[in-house]
Amino acid sequence: GQNIDQPTEMTATEGAIVQINCTYQTSGFNGLFWYQQHAGEAPTFLSYNVLDGLEEKGRFSSFLSRSKGYSYLLLKELQMKDSASYLCAVSTNTGGFKTIFGAGTRLFVKA
Amino acid sequence: GAVVSQHPSRVICKSGTSVKIECRSLDFQATTMFWYRQFPKKSLMLMATSNEGSKATYEQGVEKDKFLINHASLTLSTLTVTSAHPEDSSFYICSASRDRQDQPQHFGDGTRLSIL
Repeated sequence: GQNIDQPTEMTATEGAIVQINCTYQTSGFNGLFWYQQHAGEAPTFLSYNVLDGLEEKGRFSSFLSRSKGYSYLLLKELQMKDSASYLCAVSTNTGGFKTIFGAGTRLFVKA
Repeated sequence: GAVVSQHPSRVICKSGTSVKIECRSLDFQATTMFWYRQFPKKSLMLMATSNEGSKATYEQGVEKDKFLINHASLTLSTLTVTSAHPEDSSFYICSASRDRQDQPQHFGDGTRLSIL
């Protein structure tokens, strides 16, 4: 079956670095996405990894290890506005493309 | 700017009413769109895959007669919640992507449905 695990909540301090982990077990893996979702709003795209390694995009970086079924999202120089839920999502192709979402990690950034 | 438009953003109606939600891709054609449901502080739950010109593919446990999906054109999919009841109250979100596996989902702003 399809399964995606990530921590429920994390707390970090403004200006610090935080790493949000995600492990997955899926068939027909076609890549992994990270999305940010503020309360009451739709998710917005942050990053996409399909090959092993680190993808850096400004303050955000995402890492993927396909052999370990593992990814993380790294947020640097945290700002208060980074308080949100971060969704790990896997693109699969088993009888058609679809994206499966993890439950999300709620990040609280404190001053 | 937004690439996926979803309307209405909020609906409050009486039990027994049917509610239609529209999802439009604004600057690309989408042969496939997705409908999700999200409960407070929970993740997105995929309800169904909307396929242009053919029947939608529903996820296990989702009632196809309850949640009618129509994808009549390459830029429009609609979700109709038929005879809605309070337990159908939720946040419904649609998404679409350009037809490549490495393209992210672009989400509509969501529809908050409240059934009294």
